[in-house]
Amino acid sequence: GENVEQHPSTLSVQEGDSAVIKCTYSDSASNYFPWYKQELGKRPQLIIDIRSNVGEKKDQRIAVTLNKTAKHFSLHITETQPEDSAVYFCAPNYGGATNKLIFGTGTLLAVQP
Amino acid sequence: DTAVSQTPKYLVTQMGNDKSIKCEQNLGHDTMYWYKQDSKKFLKIMFSYNNKELIINETVPNRFSPKSPDKAHLNLHINSLELGDSAVYFCASSHRDGGEFFGPGTRLTVL
Repeated sequence: GENVEQHPSTLSVQEGDSAVIKCTYSDSASNYFPWYKQELGKRPQLIIDIRSNVGEKKDQRIAVTLNKTAKHFSLHITETQPEDSAVYFCAPNYGGATNKLIFGTGTLLAVQP
Repeated sequence: DTAVSQTPKYLVTQMGNDKSIKCEQNLGHDTMYWYKQDSKKFLKIMFSYNNKELIINETVPNRFSPKSPDKAHLNLHINSLELGDSAVYFCASSHRDGGEFFGPGTRLTVL
């Protein structure tokens, strides 16, 4: 089956610093790479996604970069703010089928004011 | 409001009981899902329906039975509840080639 790992599992940064979370996957057929943010007690929310024909995508302070050869993609958050504190999940699709996402184990990001 | 909604938000019940969770989406999506999130926050897909047809059925005990009366609804019925079923259950929906939108979750506690 698909193996999805996230690193680090916890990350603490000072407000204004950058944060990077890396996701490694094993299925070479994966072609859709989203990141989800889950605040405490809330639902997971899609924050950014990328498809395999693109190497990087940016949306204001967040960006995702994809290295399909090495089978990893990363979430980059710049100028972090306390409201960025949450658990972040990567969820590459399995077998090239967009409707089956395999969620990583999550990264708890704490932004210290 | 356009959204994915679930009821109930909280469910506390005794072992051995049968319970249902309902989910509705008004986003016009083709595909709906049930996920289970355990106490360690692992999110695992349980089922997926596309246009009322079951397309993903992970290794979930057959005490769990999803039902999709139409493509906007996907309900989850659980028979003979066990302690290990305690978790947060999320419904989600998506277009065939898009990201998933999650409902607010149902926190199930089995005593």
